[in-house]
Amino acid sequence: EAGVVQSPRYKIIEKKQPVAFWCNPISGHNTLYWYLQNLGQGPELLIRYENEEAVDDSQLPKDRFSAERLKGVDSTLKIQPAELGDSAVYLCASSSGTGGVLLDTQYFGPGTRLTVL
Amino acid sequence: AQSVAQPEDQVNVAEGNPLTVKCTYSVSGNPYLFWYVQYPNRGLQFLLKYITGDNLVKGSYGFEAEFNKSQTSFHLKKPSALVSDSALYFCAVRDPLDQTGANNLFFGTGTRLTVIP
Repeated sequence: EAGVVQSPRYKIIEKKQPVAFWCNPISGHNTLYWYLQNLGQGPELLIRYENEEAVDDSQLPKDRFSAERLKGVDSTLKIQPAELGDSAVYLCASSSGTGGVLLDTQYFGPGTRLTVL
Repeated sequence: AQSVAQPEDQVNVAEGNPLTVKCTYSVSGNPYLFWYVQYPNRGLQFLLKYITGDNLVKGSYGFEAEFNKSQTSFHLKKPSALVSDSALYFCAVRDPLDQTGANNLFFGTGTRLTVIP
């Protein structure tokens, strides 16, 4: 079974440029998460989807960040415009959702390492 | 509000010796606890979780963790360390009584384990 797929793995951009990250969850997983991981820190949740609905986006900086999961499968996270402080690893995770969010185990992709110059 | 602490940034252990990676938590109710491991340039891999039941939880790659409610701890252990266990380890907690209702997963800052040959 394929794991969570993310692309690109690495991205270097100039500040004020837009950038987008793509995630394909494990097949059949209804719940999808985007996390931000700063160097030396644990992942922090940005947004959680249940199918195509964003059920928790309280930590997403909506002035510059946006996300979508149009068909309830793969998802895109966008930053526009990027700032120096956005340099980090962006992780995508998915879970089956069958046990409810409390019992679910999240499975992570390899992440996208963003460097903003 | 829930939180999790990993008091040691770095743990060094000789190959073949037992290892312990410490984690303490703070939640309103009974916690759901998780351990993940992160290898360089890889996403987080699930090791084990405690939901309820036996306080000693066995997971992948010979790891186990012991839930101690009185000490609010969930330390990760392995009887005999391998060089290949060298990685970054994250403890995470989910609070079923999360007042926001989001029941999200909160991660510690990570502990870097180095197993010395």
